Amino acid sequence: KAGVTQTPRYLIKTRGQQVTLSCSPISGHRSVSWYQQTPGQGLQFLFEYFSETQRNKGNFPGRFSGRQFSNSRSEMNVSTLELGDSALYLCASSFGTVRPSGNTIYFGEGSWLTVV
Amino acid sequence: ILNVEQSPQSLHVQEGDSTNFTCSFPSSNFYALHWYRWETAKSPEALFVMTLNGDEKKKGRISATLNTKEGYSYLYIKGSQPEDSATYLCASLDRDDKIIFGKGTRLHILP
Repeated sequence: KAGVTQTPRYLIKTRGQQVTLSCSPISGHRSVSWYQQTPGQGLQFLFEYFSETQRNKGNFPGRFSGRQFSNSRSEMNVSTLELGDSALYLCASSFGTVRPSGNTIYFGEGSWLTVV
Repeated sequence: ILNVEQSPQSLHVQEGDSTNFTCSFPSSNFYALHWYRWETAKSPEALFVMTLNGDEKKKGRISATLNTKEGYSYLYIKGSQPEDSATYLCASLDRDDKIIFGKGTRLHILP
């Protein structure tokens, strides 16, 4: 079956702009979570959505937001971009929520965002 | 420990040798420990999900153990092969649904 699909794969934005990233989960998966990967910080959890509701949120400023649609596809938005937002943004899906632990998380290949 | 720490940061291993590395995580409020394998230009691939103290999981030449009381997990690779070259990530999930990733162990297999 098709894996987690993220679009766009690569993009360049200017400081102050906003960006929207899209994630299509594996068919049948209802949980989508987002992560930011930077060289210095490693993978950091942004938020998780399950059945269109945000279940959990990491320690990121309000400029980072997301949503999930009825078909489980998810988008994340970053407003007023800063240079430090340059990162790889990974989306992951799972059948259930991150808990119970039996639910394996499947990652997409990520969206590389460069802010100049 | 408040963060997830992995050691070593980087590791070079001769092909055919066995190796292991460590993931240390907060033992309080622990719920599950995940291991991932992340090859360059690919997406992280789930290896193991472990919850119980003393858990041992195995997938081919790769195995992992879990000690929830002291907050550590070991990942073992037996008879390393070139295709094992990757970054190995662990992530700790607590009972408040907070997930924290380590920064990974970068494994290089030398031919």
